[in-house]
Amino acid sequence: EAGVAQSPRYKIIEKRQSVAFWCNPISGHATLYWYQQILGQGPKLLIQFQNNGVVDDSQLPKDRFSAERLKGVDSTLKIQPAKLEDSAVYLCASSLEFRGQETQYFGPGTRLLVL
Amino acid sequence: RKEVEQDPGPFNVPEGATVAFNCTYSNSASQSFFWYRQDCRKEPKLLMSVYSSGNEDGRFTAQLNRASQYISLLIRDSKLSDSATYLCVVNLGGRRALTFGSGTRLQVQP
Repeated sequence: EAGVAQSPRYKIIEKRQSVAFWCNPISGHATLYWYQQILGQGPKLLIQFQNNGVVDDSQLPKDRFSAERLKGVDSTLKIQPAKLEDSAVYLCASSLEFRGQETQYFGPGTRLLVL
Repeated sequence: RKEVEQDPGPFNVPEGATVAFNCTYSNSASQSFFWYRQDCRKEPKLLMSVYSSGNEDGRFTAQLNRASQYISLLIRDSKLSDSATYLCVVNLGGRRALTFGSGTRLQVQP
């Protein structure tokens, strides 16, 4: 079974530039998550989608971050404009509920460096 | 107070040693508990779920104490390949996102 796909794997930009990340979840997984993982910390949720609707975006810095999942499958996360503190790994995860248990599967992440 | 707290380590242990990690969580409404493993520059991967009755998977044993809001992971007979960061994770239940601790780094030495 194919896993969660993300691209690009690495991105280097200058502050105030824009950047976009793409995620393709595991086929059939209705729930999709974007997490931000800063070096030395655990992943922190940015936004959660159920199909194409937003479930939780309370921790998304909406002045500069946006995300969409228009057809309930692929998703894009955008940062505009980027700040130095946005340097992190952006992880996409998808999940499927089975017998009352929800297991999340992570993609390889996009490593962003803002200079 | 952080929602999930872990000792960051690093824990440096010799091969064959037994090592234990602990974690506390602040939200008593948390429903599900997990340990994830994260290798350097890789994504987190589920190691095991944690149940109140305790559960074991080979050399790994996880325990949950709901009264104390405390989770533990015991690794017996450590292997070099166990070197990684171990993330303590809680979930409020339903289709909710996971809340991660900052991780405990383990380095097993020959």
